Amino acid sequence: QKEVEQNSGPLSVPEGAIASLNCTYSDRVSQSFFWYRQYSGKSPELIMSIYSNGDKEDGRFTAQLNKASQYVSLLIRDSQPSDSATYLCAAFFYNQGGKLIFGQGTELSVKP
Amino acid sequence: DAGVTQSPTHLIKTRGQQVTLRCSPKSGHDTVSWYQQALGQGPQFIFQYYEEEERQRGNFPDRFSGHQFPNYSSELNVNALLLGDSALYLCASSLQGYSYEQYFGPGTRLTVT
Repeated sequence: QKEVEQNSGPLSVPEGAIASLNCTYSDRVSQSFFWYRQYSGKSPELIMSIYSNGDKEDGRFTAQLNKASQYVSLLIRDSQPSDSATYLCAAFFYNQGGKLIFGQGTELSVKP
Repeated sequence: DAGVTQSPTHLIKTRGQQVTLRCSPKSGHDTVSWYQQALGQGPQFIFQYYEEEERQRGNFPDRFSGHQFPNYSSELNVNALLLGDSALYLCASSLQGYSYEQYFGPGTRLTVT
């Protein structure tokens, strides 16, 4: 089992729809989770951090964390073509001395 | 507020050569982590430097080494380059003990021929 797994893409949604990106992690001790957005040919950009169970909202983005199910998700409301990118989920692994481990990424395409 | 900077932007090397990549962290940050990102994959953790020491290391061979300077900037050195070392090398900075948020620089694209 991979330490951080994301649903395979690419994910395609129409403009204005809700995009749902999912991620599971293997380490029950992990407490810190992050979503990064990476445009083609660019470096990852931190867009959301979440540390507690429940939802965290920032503009059109909502991160959801369920530690019992070891599951993290990112919802993007009113998706725009400019949201088209690869979204990377990352978990901080305390039991490995503190490493940020990334999933393989999910490519999102928002069609006008 | 100066962000993370990396140099060079692109680099082409021949198999067997050595390469040095450089990173300056975001203003106020003291920790630098290095990642390798192959095409279509997520970043893979190489190592992390704090207080001029390597604190954590991922599953990379000893050909990968690094250094952190008193001004918190860092270098990544790769010896005996292999074709498989071709990738985007990312530097991320953070503030130790504050949060685990890491901010990435623009990356160095290394091509080994």
